[in-house]
Amino acid sequence: QKEVEQDPGPLSVPEGAIVSLNCTYSNSAFQYFMWYRQYSRKGPELLMYTYSSGNKEDGRFTAQVDKSSKYISLFIRDSQPSDSATYLCAMSANAGGTSYGKLTFGQGTILTVHP
Amino acid sequence: DTEVTQTPKHLVMGMTNKKSLKCEQHMGHRAMYWYKQKAKKPPELMFVYSYEKLSINESVPSRFSPECPNSSLLNLHLHALQPEDSALYLCASSYSGLSPTDTQYFGPGTRLTVL
Repeated sequence: QKEVEQDPGPLSVPEGAIVSLNCTYSNSAFQYFMWYRQYSRKGPELLMYTYSSGNKEDGRFTAQVDKSSKYISLFIRDSQPSDSATYLCAMSANAGGTSYGKLTFGQGTILTVHP
Repeated sequence: DTEVTQTPKHLVMGMTNKKSLKCEQHMGHRAMYWYKQKAKKPPELMFVYSYEKLSINESVPSRFSPECPNSSLLNLHLHALQPEDSALYLCASSYSGLSPTDTQYFGPGTRLTVL
C-alpha cells in the first residue's frame, strides 16, 4: 500500500465548475500538507499548505484536512481553463532533524477545464 | 523573488558522456534538493543539502553525483547514465531543510534524454 493515495484521473470539467481533488494517507506521522500545481513540462508550483485539521482558503482555492480520517482535499471554485494542470498533494512528517526535507507526493491528478 | 533557475532546459547525452546540471537560487535559502520525475509520475527525492552538507541521499546510484559549492548553487554531475535515467530533473530550495514548516520552491527542471 502506498503511503499517499491520489486518484490520477484524468478529470475533465466545464469552465465554472467546482473541482474536488483528494488524497488519503496511511502514515500518522504526516503532519504537514501541501498542494502543488504542475503545468506540462514545468516544475511544481506551491498552491497551498496547511498544518492543522480544518479549512484554509486562498481566493478560489480551499484546502481541507481531516487528520482523524487521514484525508485531505483541495477545492477549486469557478474553475478556469488556466487551472488545467496536474495537481499533486504532498506531505511531510514531524520526524525531526533532516527528515523534514522529505516530501511524500501523491501520484497527481490531471485536471482539464474546458471552455 | 521566489525563483529557482535551472540550466540547461534540455540535455541529450550518450551513455559514455559526462555532463552536469546546474541549479541556482537567490532567496537566501540554505536547503537545496534534487528530484527525478518520470512522465505522469510524482517527483522522487534524490538528494537534500542543508547548510551545504548532504543530509539525505535516497540510495541514488553513484552515476549521479551531487555537489553544493555554496548556499546558492547546486550541481548534479552525471556519468555513465542509462536510458532509463531519462527524466525531468527538478531542483528545489527551502529556508533551512530543518523545519517541518519549510516550503519547497521548485525550478522548471532539466529534461534529460539518455541515448
